[in-house]
Amino acid sequence: RKEVEQDPGPFNVPEGATVAFNCTYSNSASQSFFWYRQDCRKEPKLLMSVYSSGNEDGRFTAQLNRASQYISLLIRDSKLSDSATYLCVTRNSGYALNFGKGTSLLVTP
Amino acid sequence: NAGVTQTPKFQVLKTGQSMTLQCAQDMNHEYMSWYRQDPGMGLRLIHYSVGAGITDQGEVPNGYNVSRSTTEDFPLRLLSAAPSQTSVYFCASSYSGDDEQFFGPGTRLTVL
Repeated sequence: RKEVEQDPGPFNVPEGATVAFNCTYSNSASQSFFWYRQDCRKEPKLLMSVYSSGNEDGRFTAQLNRASQYISLLIRDSKLSDSATYLCVTRNSGYALNFGKGTSLLVTP
Repeated sequence: NAGVTQTPKFQVLKTGQSMTLQCAQDMNHEYMSWYRQDPGMGLRLIHYSVGAGITDQGEVPNGYNVSRSTTEDFPLRLLSAAPSQTSVYFCASSYSGDDEQFFGPGTRLTVL
């Protein structure tokens, strides 16, 4: 079983919609949590870190539930430029990152 | 700053050939790593380094060698390429183990 599980989608939403992605992780010792964004045929880039108290960055809100080992990402007022694959990522005690397979989002006009 | 650079961008090899994928960063980052990304698999860690002269294995190290003689460079060597090594390879670096990892643009490798 993969350490980080995500629904691959694709999620097709109209511009302006709110969309939520979820992921679960299996290692209770995971210490750090992130959402990365990857555009088609490009490298992953950090979208935001995820903190236990929840955090927001503009239209993006991330939540972490350590008890349920569950991470979420909410995107409000979707833009065409939000179309990408969103990668849920954890880090255990070492340096290595554990990547989910990604959730594909397509925002349509 | 150029950030993390990788060469070549594309490469086609025949089974059994060897080659080196180059990775360099100009951010004075101590930590560097190599990932491979396959359809439906997500990114998987091959090898990583926490500083010059120090390397360690990741999740999928077989068939790959690395060395870290300088802070800037972290080449990945395929000694005898196999079709199973067809993938997109990303190099990443970070200032410390807790910091954001910055990825290079990737090398698309096909092994025939």
